[in-house]
Amino acid sequence: ETGVTQTPRHLVMGMTNKKSLKCEQHLGHNAMYWYKQSAKKPLELMFVYSLEERVENNSVPSRFSPECPNSSHLFLHLHTLQPEDSALYLCASSQDGAEAYNEQFFGPGTRLTVL
Amino acid sequence: GQNIDQPTEMTATEGAIVQINCTYQTSGFNGLFWYQQHAGEAPTFLSYNVLDGLEEKGRFSSFLSRSKGYSYLLLKELQMKDSASYLCAVRDSNYQLIWGAGTKLIIKP
Repeated sequence: ETGVTQTPRHLVMGMTNKKSLKCEQHLGHNAMYWYKQSAKKPLELMFVYSLEERVENNSVPSRFSPECPNSSHLFLHLHTLQPEDSALYLCASSQDGAEAYNEQFFGPGTRLTVL
Repeated sequence: GQNIDQPTEMTATEGAIVQINCTYQTSGFNGLFWYQQHAGEAPTFLSYNVLDGLEEKGRFSSFLSRSKGYSYLLLKELQMKDSASYLCAVRDSNYQLIWGAGTKLIIKP
């Protein structure tokens, strides 16, 4: 148990659907992350919330919209996705601060398939 | 641009030793991480290097040379459960992690 949970674990959606991914961390961390993991590609950082400030990767399409209501919860709202968005979406958390050694703890991921 | 290179796939024999290399070019350096990811599971932390040299943790060791932009993960006494992908990641000057694509390690009996 890593202390980071994600729901749902699997999601199949059509291109016109709207869905949300949920992440919750029970580790008392103050930073949370969304990553996209495609086969044989590096993890792609999508969004970071650190001390309730959002750091956005400019290359993320607007059909992905994050929400962080508090330091323990993170959502990724999805709408009008494309088939190429099919991937494993990983949430992670860490204790942000001046120390460089801030290990990230990952959730099990949501396997998303867009038809 | 920032780049992390590691081999796509490696094969080793149970009981043997394997070394997985990682080279990086990043804007700044604030530490290098190795993670293990079993198929269908979350990545889990293995090791962290910020100074040059070898960090040993049981059967796993990680080495760093900052001047060469190079690290390796050494796995000894390989077990079948070590079959997984191994991800190298570097924290850049903005304290963001830059990830490699991972090395899939296949262990054969």
